[in-house]
Amino acid sequence: DAGVIQSPRHEVTEMGQEVTLRCKPISGHNSLFWYRQTMMRGLELLIYFNNNVPIDDSGMPEDRFSAKMPNASFSTLKIQPSEPRDSAVYFCASSRRGDNQPQHFGDGTRLSIL
Amino acid sequence: DAKTTQPNSMESNEEEPVHLPCNHSTISGTDYIHWYRQLPSQGPEYVIHGLTSNVNNRMASLAIAEDRKSSTLILHRATLRDAAVYYCILRRYSGSARQLTFGSGTQLTVLP
Repeated sequence: DAGVIQSPRHEVTEMGQEVTLRCKPISGHNSLFWYRQTMMRGLELLIYFNNNVPIDDSGMPEDRFSAKMPNASFSTLKIQPSEPRDSAVYFCASSRRGDNQPQHFGDGTRLSIL
Repeated sequence: DAKTTQPNSMESNEEEPVHLPCNHSTISGTDYIHWYRQLPSQGPEYVIHGLTSNVNNRMASLAIAEDRKSSTLILHRATLRDAAVYYCILRRYSGSARQLTFGSGTQLTVLP
């Protein structure tokens, strides 16, 4: 079975550029999560969706960040304009609905903003 | 969600059992105990979860104290591939999927 697929795996871009991260969740999963991991702050939630609807975006740092889930099989996280402090590994995860359903993580996108 | 406390790091010898502790003294009755691990350069991976009773699966065992204020993840025979950061997470039952709140976890080193 295919797991959560994220693209690109690595992204290096200059400050001010738009960055789009992509995620394909596991088929049949109703919930999708975007996390960010840095050395300073560890793993933190940015936003999550249930049935393609954003439920909690309180972790989104600021208006430069936006996330969409146009259908059950695709989500994007966009940063515009990007800044060096956005450099991190961004993970997408998906799960079936329910508190105790395991979350399945992708391999992440390592983002470097110069 | 209630807070958990884990040692920053632990070491184990290959092929020996490993007991990874987690304290959660403020746990509530509806908090489930979840464990995830993160191998180098990978996303976190679900390991096991439980509420009150001890749990076993193909990856590990979870031993939960009778008062539920602590738990222990048990790897029965550590391999080099088990070297990872292990996270103990409490999730309060709410009836729908919610985020995981990760702490700093325990870095497990497995020595050959």
